Order: sequence, then structure tokens, then C-alpha cells
Amino acid sequence: AQSVAQPEDQVNVAEGNPLTVKCTYSVSGNPYLFWYVQYPNRGLQFLLKYITGDNLVKGSYGFEAEFNKSQTSFHLKKPSALVSDSALYFCAVRPGGYNKLIFGAGTRLAVHP
Amino acid sequence: EAGVAQSPRYKIIEKRQSVAFWCNPISGHATLYWYQQILGQGPKLLIQFQNNGVVDDSQLPKDRFSAERLKGVDSTLKIQPAKLEDSAVYLCASSLGPSSGAGELFFGEGSRLTVL
Repeated sequence: AQSVAQPEDQVNVAEGNPLTVKCTYSVSGNPYLFWYVQYPNRGLQFLLKYITGDNLVKGSYGFEAEFNKSQTSFHLKKPSALVSDSALYFCAVRPGGYNKLIFGAGTRLAVHP
Repeated sequence: EAGVAQSPRYKIIEKRQSVAFWCNPISGHATLYWYQQILGQGPKLLIQFQNNGVVDDSQLPKDRFSAERLKGVDSTLKIQPAKLEDSAVYLCASSLGPSSGAGELFFGEGSRLTVL
């Protein structure tokens, strides 16, 4: 079955420290991979995506993500966290040749001053 | 550029009542999606349209949920009759290209449904 896992319900990090939000997937074919962020009472906002090419992709608000095919992972990273980064983060995968976007359960990021 | 518009933002109904949600996608976006997001979970696709045709409705509870996208623009999602477990945020999203492409989805702010 096609699936996306975000193994951490919550990630806590101090402001200024690097952050990582983990995502692994199990899908067929060569997938398209996405990260979205959701602030309270708001819809999801697109952060970045991996389609092909360089394994490190850069996105909005200083975020980046690293695609690792052998580990089937797509972890979200930021070198220096801000309190304003506190939100709910969703990893999503569209399996190759498949028209459905599958979301993970989400990881709540809490950045403390 | 205007984003995806949804209404109402909030709705409270009693079980067995009906409710309808409306979505206006970004102009020119061919593909429209309805997702259900239950508290503490990731969004689950209910139905997706390519123009005014249904591409996937495999997870839509068809005994109580219905959706249409007349003229390939606006869409309405209806629940009748509602159950307690339908309490969720209903997210509408649109994308420019086909649903199998690499384009990202643009989401509306959602319609929060509470069923009492």
C-alpha cells in the first residue's frame, strides 16, 4: 500500500538552532514529494517540492529538504529556526503515474524563544 | 492573484441535518480537490475533478456525501445526513495542471464543520 510516515508527532527546538522534520514514504515508481505548512485556522501552504535532479531542494521561508532515494526519505530542514516557524508540517507524496496526493499525519513544530 | 475561496468558514449542525460547502478555485486551474481533515490527522482526499469530470472519488462516502463541479469552475460539497464523525475541516484545493503532474496544490482556508 502507498503510504507516508511522519514518525514524530511533535518536534521541539530552540530558536536559532537547526531543525529537522522527518518524512519517509513507501510508494511505487518515482514519486513527486512535497512539504506543506499549516498555521492555526488556515489552509495548507506549499513550501517546496522534489521532482527530479538535485537531491537538496530549497523552498520558502529558508526551508530546504533532502531527498534520499535509498532511504526513501524526504526530511525537511532549516539551519536556524524562528519562533514564527511554529506550525503543523505535512509531508505529501504523489506516486509515479498516480493522480492522488497522499499526506502524512503531520508533525507539530514548536520553536521556543 | 486571488487564492482559493471557501465558504462558510464555520458551520455547526446537528446530526442528521444537511450542510453544503462551496469552493471557488484559482482562475484557470483545471483540477479541483476536496479533502477532509479530521483533528490530529493529515488531509484525506474525498474527491478530485479535472475540469468538470470526476477523476477519483474512491474515498467519498457516497451514501451521504456528494460533490459537483458544474461548468468546470466552482464546486459544492454536500453532506446529507451528517453524522458525528463528519466533524472535520473540509479543505478545497486547486492545481493548474493535471492531477498526475508535478504541480503543487493551492489550498483554501477550509470550512470547519461541527456536528452535534
